[in-house]
Amino acid sequence: EAQVTQNPRYLITVTGKKLTVTCSQNMNHEYMSWYRQDPGLGLRQIYYSMNVEVTDKGDVPEGYKVSRKEKRNFPLILESPSPNQTSLYFCASTTIGGEQYFGPGTRLTVT
Amino acid sequence: AQSVAQPEDQVNVAEGNPLTVKCTYSVSGNPYLFWYVQYPNRGLQFLLKYITGDNLVKGSYGFEAEFNKSQTSFHLKKPSALVSDSALYFCAVSPLSGNTGKLIFGQGTTLQVKP
Repeated sequence: EAQVTQNPRYLITVTGKKLTVTCSQNMNHEYMSWYRQDPGLGLRQIYYSMNVEVTDKGDVPEGYKVSRKEKRNFPLILESPSPNQTSLYFCASTTIGGEQYFGPGTRLTVT
Repeated sequence: AQSVAQPEDQVNVAEGNPLTVKCTYSVSGNPYLFWYVQYPNRGLQFLLKYITGDNLVKGSYGFEAEFNKSQTSFHLKKPSALVSDSALYFCAVSPLSGNTGKLIFGQGTTLQVKP
């Protein structure tokens, strides 16, 4: 089954404690992205990747890092999380035609 | 600045009536245009897209969307709404010509279909 998986699905952490949210796709897509969803703001793109070792900033990259060492994986790293990064995060994988397949989401709370 | 606007936070419609969810955009070039749907407590699903060609595009679950270049709009429509269509709908635009991976979303419109 074609899918995008994210882990963990729920995470509660404290300010400053580094964390990584993993994302993996099994569709051999070249493009992958990370978004955060906040009420009233829709989805905002954090980072995207066009292929292995090729990444670019989205609209809200501050406080986040990504890496793309393998085609299937695109982890999101928060090196020093802050409360304003409390949000619902989605990973997505993009087809050649531009349609995005989204993961189930990770709900992050930073206290 | 490049942007996507969904002017209505919520749209209410009775089951069986036609529905329209509005989207306008402000980007340069010939963007790709998309609609996605998010059902409660679930991820987002692709509904339809416009790249080029016929201004009326058809998608999943009976939805269609009309591209209007002069008005820079891409409104989502359905001739007869179902209660099960109640969800959060997002318009999205790829701001450069072609598939670049960059995507700008609108803020979302909640569709409420009442029996």
